[in-house]
Amino acid sequence: ELKVEQNPLFLSMQEGKNYTIYCNYSTTSDRLYWYRQDPGKSLESLFVLLSNGAVKQEGRLMASLDTKARLSTLHITAAVHDLSATYFCAVDALRSGYALNFGKGTSLLVTP
Amino acid sequence: NAGVMQNPRHLVRRRGQEARLRCSPMKGHSHVYWYRQLPEEGLKFMVYLQKENIIDESGMPKERFSAEFPKEGPSILRIQQVVRGDSAAYFCASSPLLKTGGKNEQFFGPGTRLTVL
Repeated sequence: ELKVEQNPLFLSMQEGKNYTIYCNYSTTSDRLYWYRQDPGKSLESLFVLLSNGAVKQEGRLMASLDTKARLSTLHITAAVHDLSATYFCAVDALRSGYALNFGKGTSLLVTP
Repeated sequence: NAGVMQNPRHLVRRRGQEARLRCSPMKGHSHVYWYRQLPEEGLKFMVYLQKENIIDESGMPKERFSAEFPKEGPSILRIQQVVRGDSAAYFCASSPLLKTGGKNEQFFGPGTRLTVL
């Protein structure tokens, strides 16, 4: 069974600081996805990483993928309060239709 | 282009009743997925459907749960004789044509939050 592990699961950080969220997965996968979820809301797509060495950036968030290490990172630069949310990584579950296997999520709180 | 639509957004049922959750995919999307999210957990895959066909239901409990995606109308996830453990958020996602090597991105609806009393 494909396993997806994120760490940390909870993260409290001060505004202006940098931090990295890690996502490990257990089986070769072609695609890795990062989503954001605000409390009581749906999932918003942040990044789709398609190949080894892929790096994508949007604002203060940057995601990278190392398929050989089966590792993706989500780096937060100079955090602001608006980034407070839960962040999920997901990989194709090797099922038909490319259904996703999700990590448990990283709950991020950015404080003044 | 409207996003993925789900209704109802909140549903309260008593134990033993039936719950019917509806999902209308984005226009032009023919692939529908249902996921369940328990409190403080990530999403778990339940079932993948195309029009009139269940392609993969390996994540769905064998009893009480069923899904359909008819030729006309929304996809429906039905839970019969609900129990307290069915309380969760149920998300539907849709995707356009899937391609090997493509993004195959899934777009999520707002979810239905089911509470079983």
